[in-house]
Amino acid sequence: NAGVMQNPRHLVRRRGQEARLRCSPMKGHSHVYWYRQLPEEGLKFMVYLQKENIIDESGMPKERFSAEFPKEGPSILRIQQVVRGDSAAYFCASSNHPGDTEAFFGQGTRLTVV
Amino acid sequence: GIQVEQSPPDLILQEGANSTLRCNFSDSVNNLQWFHQNPWGQLINLFYIPSGTKQNGRLSATTVATERYSLLYISSSQTTDSGVYFCAVYTGTASKLTFGTGTRLQVTL
Repeated sequence: NAGVMQNPRHLVRRRGQEARLRCSPMKGHSHVYWYRQLPEEGLKFMVYLQKENIIDESGMPKERFSAEFPKEGPSILRIQQVVRGDSAAYFCASSNHPGDTEAFFGQGTRLTVV
Repeated sequence: GIQVEQSPPDLILQEGANSTLRCNFSDSVNNLQWFHQNPWGQLINLFYIPSGTKQNGRLSATTVATERYSLLYISSSQTTDSGVYFCAVYTGTASKLTFGTGTRLQVTL
């Protein structure tokens, strides 16, 4: 029973490039959340998606960041024109029913912008 | 939005000691989880505990929802317990887990 799968585990991008982070939720889970963790800090909510819908994107920066969770395939967090300040660990979580059931996290993608 | 504060922020223990970590939240919650982030950055689920008490080996947790706090107990600590412990809560009005500030634990020999 595979858990939440994120890839890649580590990603290095030059300033100005695009970063694509992928998240496959646990089997049977249709709710996906993305969080960002800056070095030595806690996890900050970015976006909550259900299949094909963005439910809450209140934590997403207004520019350069986007997320999707298509009917088929993993959820994607996309960062365009990356800057050094985007360097962080990005975690994905999934749950069966938000608020009523346990959420599980993937191992994260560590993005380094050089 | 809801505020989630954890204490203490840092804790150093000798192996074998016991400890209590606290999580205070500013509003009613539907759900509360405790996580351990190990030194490699992995987030490990410890407890899903919206109320009551649960135990898992050397760890136990208690949530008193009416008084807006949760406690995580670690007994006979081991060096592998080192890392950061987070609590995270769901409220009825938000659709996401809000994380606390974390407690960084270091267990020494």
